[in-house]
Amino acid sequence: QVQLQESGPGVVKPSETLSLTCTVSGFSIRRGYYWAWIRQSPGKGLEWIGSINYSGSISHNPSLKSRVTISVDTSKNQFSLQLTSVTAADTAVYYCARGGSGSPDQEHDSWGQGTLVTVSS
Amino acid sequence: SYELTQSPSVSVSPGQTARITCSGDELGSKYASWYQQKPGQSPVLVIYQDNKRPSGIPERFSGSSSKNTATLSISGTQAMDEADYYCQSWDSSIDVVFGGGTKLTVL
Repeated sequence: QVQLQESGPGVVKPSETLSLTCTVSGFSIRRGYYWAWIRQSPGKGLEWIGSINYSGSISHNPSLKSRVTISVDTSKNQFSLQLTSVTAADTAVYYCARGGSGSPDQEHDSWGQGTLVTVSS
Repeated sequence: SYELTQSPSVSVSPGQTARITCSGDELGSKYASWYQQKPGQSPVLVIYQDNKRPSGIPERFSGSSSKNTATLSISGTQAMDEADYYCQSWDSSIDVVFGGGTKLTVL
């Protein structure tokens, strides 16, 4: 059974870079699928940030694309998110999730527990 | 940009059928999926490809889709079904888009 676990700092200063890693267990990223970052601001809905597959093919939310870098490390079975120039509006619970087997626009069937990142000085 | 519209809230009596809708341009020609999220928990996939249930999801959850609307139905609604529900689909401008969410209250 696939399991995902987010890790990274819980507090990031304004204008700095948010960095998170998702460690996947029970399933090899090399087997395929897209792997996604999704966030949820306090009391709000879900917002897709972007997705990557094992070969490094990436799809981004156009509204965040200029600030987002997503990468994959198949040797560690991990994928990562970097979000630059953060503001208070980036305060959210960040989830990693497994996406579609063939394309990034499919359902997300497994989710991490989420990690709260607060942007504050 | 592509948007999916959900009613903010739906109320249902225990044992009745709850219907939660998701509207978007030409949504019927794309697959929709649905997620259940309880307070303090991660979303759980309950319906994918419009009407398929993942393993472990009760049969009372079903989905349908036509033209511009996807619908999640919960028959014989139970208190444990009280949660936020989100639809998801895609568009040529964005690979993944979520609806704003619907809070289901079981009265």
